[in-house]
Amino acid sequence: KQEVTQIPAALSVPEGENLVLNCSFTDSAIYNLQWFRQDPGKGLTSLLLIQSSQREQTSGRLNASLDKSSGRSTLYIAASQPGDSATYLCAVDYTGANSKLTFGKGITLSVRP
Amino acid sequence: EAGVTQFPSHSVIEKGQTVTLRCDPISGHDNLYWYRRVMGKEIKFLLHFVKESKQDESGMPNNRFLAERTGGTYSTLKVQPAELEDSGVYFCASSQDPQGNTDTQYFGPGTRLTVL
Repeated sequence: KQEVTQIPAALSVPEGENLVLNCSFTDSAIYNLQWFRQDPGKGLTSLLLIQSSQREQTSGRLNASLDKSSGRSTLYIAASQPGDSATYLCAVDYTGANSKLTFGKGITLSVRP
Repeated sequence: EAGVTQFPSHSVIEKGQTVTLRCDPISGHDNLYWYRRVMGKEIKFLLHFVKESKQDESGMPNNRFLAERTGGTYSTLKVQPAELEDSGVYFCASSQDPQGNTDTQYFGPGTRLTVL
């Protein structure tokens, strides 16, 4: 069964800390992996997409890595800020271009001032 | 450029009633998806349109759910009759065809459905 797991479910850190959010998936034959952010009551905002042939993607203070052999992806957030507080979701496309995404439950991040 | 929009933002209905959710994808996006998140669970795929055709409807829970995409533009998701377990947040997303250079799925704000 193709699943995506995100542990822990919640994380609280002080402002300024560098942090890593983990995502694991059960089948290494993925097409791509996408990280999203969701603010309370809002939709999902795409942060980064990593194709299966790529090892990492960067956008500002965010860096996402992909290790297919171990079935893991990490989202690194540098110098965290209170505005980074949100739920971060990892989603895997196991099938092919523009196909359905399989989501993890998400990690709710709280950055304390 | 406008993002994915969904209507209504919130719907409260009684068991047995019918509800229709609407999604307007980003203009020009061929691919449209419906997902659902029930309380305490992960977001799960319902179905995928390519233009007006259903590409994958493997996630539709049962025949009480009917999705359409008229003319390959907006889409509707009808639940008839609604049951208590249908409560949740229904998300719509859209993306471009591979020839359109991106696989990124762009999500709408969701419709929160409450069935009493």
